[in-house]
Amino acid sequence: SQQGEEDPQALSIQEGENATMNCSYKTSINNLQWYRQNSGRGLVHLILIRSNEREKHSGRLRVTLDTSKKSSSLLITASRAADTASYFCATEYGNKLVFGAGTILRVKS
Amino acid sequence: GAVVSQHPSRVICKSGTSVKIECRSLDFQATTMFWYRQFPKQSLMLMATSNEGSKATYEQGVEKDKFLINHASLTLSTLTVTSAHPEDSSFYICSATRTGVRSYNSPLHFGNGTRLTVT
Repeated sequence: SQQGEEDPQALSIQEGENATMNCSYKTSINNLQWYRQNSGRGLVHLILIRSNEREKHSGRLRVTLDTSKKSSSLLITASRAADTASYFCATEYGNKLVFGAGTILRVKS
Repeated sequence: GAVVSQHPSRVICKSGTSVKIECRSLDFQATTMFWYRQFPKQSLMLMATSNEGSKATYEQGVEKDKFLINHASLTLSTLTVTSAHPEDSSFYICSATRTGVRSYNSPLHFGNGTRLTVT
């Protein structure tokens, strides 16, 4: 399978804590993207990191990319109850975007 | 900007009937659209790539005669689930990328999905 793997599968934290999700993939990439999905809804693009970048920030989000280990992490700082959702990493193969298994994040208030 | 509209959001149909799902890019042109399927608590699985004016490209294991895709204009792709059965019940999501934007280093824009229940 070309799909990456994400861990943890599920994460439950208290509001205000940081949440870290990891993603691994299998082949070389042009970029890696992170998406968020609220229950029963479509996906919302969060951040894109190119293969020549190592770290990227967007608001409370911080993404790292280690191409030597074929892995990426998404850090959400100072989490809020509204951050409760599923988070997916995605990598591009040809012109197709392939998604990881996802992490279900629950932020308790 | 970059809004993708998917309709209907929810549909219940009887076994043996066909269901059409529409995906529209509202404020941009999309030569290519993608159709995904998602089972509960699982990831998105790419079903097919829809190309304006040409045949769709289906992923391995996806029956093209069962999941008919038509991409007749630069803003509309449709997925028709023919002779639906209960095992076709799933969440179907479309996405699109802007025409002329190179596929890498650009995000996809997703519709809100269609929950199909076949009874």
